[in-house]
This record gives sequence, C-alpha cells and structure tokens, in this order.
Amino acid sequence: GAGVSQSPSNKVTEKGKDVELRCDPISGHTALYWYRQRLGQGLEFLIYFQGNSAPDKSGLPSDRFSAERTGESVSTLTIQRTQQEDSAVYLCASSLQGDYYGYTFGSGTRLTVV
Amino acid sequence: AQKVTQAQTEISVVEKEDVTLDCVYETRDTTYYLFWYKQPPSGELVFLIRRNSFDEQNEISGRYSWNFQKSTSSFNFTITASQVVDSAVYFCALSEGSGTYKYIFGTGTRLKVLA
Repeated sequence: GAGVSQSPSNKVTEKGKDVELRCDPISGHTALYWYRQRLGQGLEFLIYFQGNSAPDKSGLPSDRFSAERTGESVSTLTIQRTQQEDSAVYLCASSLQGDYYGYTFGSGTRLTVV
Repeated sequence: AQKVTQAQTEISVVEKEDVTLDCVYETRDTTYYLFWYKQPPSGELVFLIRRNSFDEQNEISGRYSWNFQKSTSSFNFTITASQVVDSAVYFCALSEGSGTYKYIFGTGTRLKVLA
C-alpha cells in the first residue's frame, strides 16, 4: 500500500479482555516496528521484526503482550487481560533495511481500557 | 546508556517568529543516527531529517534548519518565520549502531504557533 495502515484506529475495551491490533506495512518493507505512546509522553519501543522473525522483543512490557508477523507483511500485536495502564496509542512503523529516510509510521491505534 | 532529552515541554510563539527546539542525547556508540519527527494533531509521525554521527554539517531545508554539535551532544532544530501549520509535537530520536533499527525517542516538544 501507499502507507502504513493500522486498524482499528480506536478501540475501547473492558479491563481483562484481550485485544488485537493490526498493522499493514508498506509493501516491500522488510522491517516492522511497534511503539507505544502514552498520553503526553514519548514513544516507547516494543518490538522489532525483520521479515517474520523478531530479533528484539525487549520492549514488550509483560508476558501479556505478544506480536507476530506473517508473510513478511501484516503484523498483529496482542494484549491479553488488558489493564488500565495499557491505555495508549500503539504505533506501527515500517522501513526498508538501511533506508536513509527512516521509518514510515502509521496513524496508530488509540486503545482505551475502561 | 542511551537517552534523548527534550527539556522544552511546550513552546508558544507568534506567527513569523523564529523558534529553536532543543535536543540533547546520550550514547556510548561512535556510530549513531539522530532524527526529528513531527506529529501534527492528526497523530501520524512525519519524518523530517536523519543525521549520522560522522556528518556534523548543518542542514537547511526551506524554513527548517538543524544544528548538530557532537561536542555538546546536541541536535537542535530551528524553524524560521514560523507558521500556524507548524503547530505540532516534535520528537527527537536516537538510533545506535550501523543501521536504522530501534529508536530512543525524547518526550517531545509541543509547539504552538499563534496567528
């Protein structure tokens, strides 16, 4: 696609429920990243994919968080048993490896846990 | 440890004023990359510039300019003759190593340009 697409754009869920956030990167971008942005804060790195493998998962805050990527394309970030502190905007980005122009970000999914 | 500090939380200026956004970074690597991104109210981050650690030349792009100084570990961003459309949150970021990979972001500076 022309840009990085994320869905849903907004998600309100009840505490304790599981949620899935989807990211469609730019076609041909081998690298894919998930970041979290809490209100008024900077972006926190969550996980990095190169192709379908995740060489760096160091940013996932707990074992309730997991992510996968298939077909070197779509990625899904899953949060199990959501907590209120999970409320944030979840941003996905993709890039060509070694791309001078850095990441291309999606518009994010705003997750609200009530 | 790697860290990016944007000490200015929010800046307000009147249209046509110049404004400088500060960014100070910490890293032990000799090879690293610095970035600025703009986040308008729509939420999508827009890439502005990337600079590698071996290139200390300042850069100008239209009304935007960047001043990279390794001696003070700073990578400041100046907008000349600001416009209302410049209103956004601006993030500075650091990536260590030889390839663009994991970014460490600052907390951002919210710029409000008043008409």
